[in-house]
Amino acid sequence: DTGVSQNPRHKITKRGQNVTFRCDPISEHNRLYWYRQTLGQGPEFLTYFQNEAQLEKSRLLSDRFSAERPKGSFSTLEIQRTEQGDSAMYLCAHDMGPQYFGPGTRLLVL
Amino acid sequence: GENVEQHPSTLSVQEGDSAVIKCTYSDSASNYFPWYKQELGKGPQLIIDIRSNVGEKKDQRIAVTLNKTAKHFSLHITETQPEDSAVYFCAASRTGAGSYQLTFGKGTKLSVIP
Repeated sequence: DTGVSQNPRHKITKRGQNVTFRCDPISEHNRLYWYRQTLGQGPEFLTYFQNEAQLEKSRLLSDRFSAERPKGSFSTLEIQRTEQGDSAMYLCAHDMGPQYFGPGTRLLVL
Repeated sequence: GENVEQHPSTLSVQEGDSAVIKCTYSDSASNYFPWYKQELGKGPQLIIDIRSNVGEKKDQRIAVTLNKTAKHFSLHITETQPEDSAVYFCAASRTGAGSYQLTFGKGTKLSVIP
């Protein structure tokens, strides 16, 4: 158990729909990260939070993506107007010295 | 930015043999190097990590070596078992300031043949 849960575990949506994923660390940690992993690749950094502040965003995070971390606890990642290229595993990690990852949310955009 | 190259992309070994996976990194300021194991349908699981002030670290059958001068680090798994079969990722990051974001290699699919 890495101390991070993610919901939903799987999401199938149609192109153009909005989707939201949630990440719940078991306890509040200063740093929380989102990564995206496409098939056959390593995870790629999307964004990170220190407490409730979103301090860095990757160029991968287009305007259709938004992330929040209200009160510095759980975090949400929303994708608006989904595209087929958004199909991937979305991973959340919390920083306890090393980064520990949740099980991920696998998104399929049809 | 940082770039991490990982080799080989696939590796098959007989049960009981050793497996070695190698990574190189480009940013000389990187100082933290974790290794993750990922099984099908699961998130990456941290198996061992090393910091730049250490040349080698061992945990039971797993060891990692770091050569800062050459900017490469390696994962060694001895006495491999079928349950070691998975995809392994190396990563690098710069700690001490900023986001500590991890840059990953593309992964090595390890198959341990019983």
